[in-house]
Amino acid sequence: EAQVTQNPRYLITVTGKKLTVTCSQNMNHEYMSWYRQDPGLGLRQIYYSMNVEVTDKGDVPEGYKVSRKEKRNFPLILESPSPNQTSLYFCASTSGVKNIQYFGAGTRLSVL
Amino acid sequence: TQLLEQSPQFLSIQEGENLTVYCNSSSVFSSLQWYRQEPGEGPVLLVTVVTGGEVKKLKRLTFQFGDARKDSSLHITAAQPGDTGLYLCAGVKWTGANNLFFGTGTRLTVIP
Repeated sequence: EAQVTQNPRYLITVTGKKLTVTCSQNMNHEYMSWYRQDPGLGLRQIYYSMNVEVTDKGDVPEGYKVSRKEKRNFPLILESPSPNQTSLYFCASTSGVKNIQYFGAGTRLSVL
Repeated sequence: TQLLEQSPQFLSIQEGENLTVYCNSSSVFSSLQWYRQEPGEGPVLLVTVVTGGEVKKLKRLTFQFGDARKDSSLHITAAQPGDTGLYLCAGVKWTGANNLFFGTGTRLTVIP
């Protein structure tokens, strides 16, 4: 079964405490992305990766880092979280030919 | 920059009514996708429209791509409570890895 798995699903943390949200896909896709979803703003892309060791900024990259050391994994790192990063985060994996995005179930992050 | 604007942002209707959701942009897209997102889950692709003027039907849902490839609409006939969810359009640009742009979303509630 095609899957994009994010962990954790829910996370409450405090300002400045580094955290990592993991994302893994089992479809051998080259292209992966991270989005944040906020009310009235839809989905905004944070970072994307076209393949292993190839990453680039999306629309709202400030305060985030990513890495792509293996094809299946694409973790999102918040080195020093701030309250304005409280949001719902989605990882997505894209089939290159049909440009279909498969989304994880989401990670709801609260930064106090 | 929000390339795609959806209207209405919120819609609450009675079961059996018809509705239309609009997705508008000043940009031209090579194709346009519609996703539905249910609480606690990531968006799931419903349809992709590719040709200007194209109409696709998915049971009671009818999707249309504008002739100029700048806008799209989603029409639901005889809405059911199971149609409740967040509907997102996403425009696909021709070039560039960062080529999928999401709309602001329409939250639909169908009351039994």
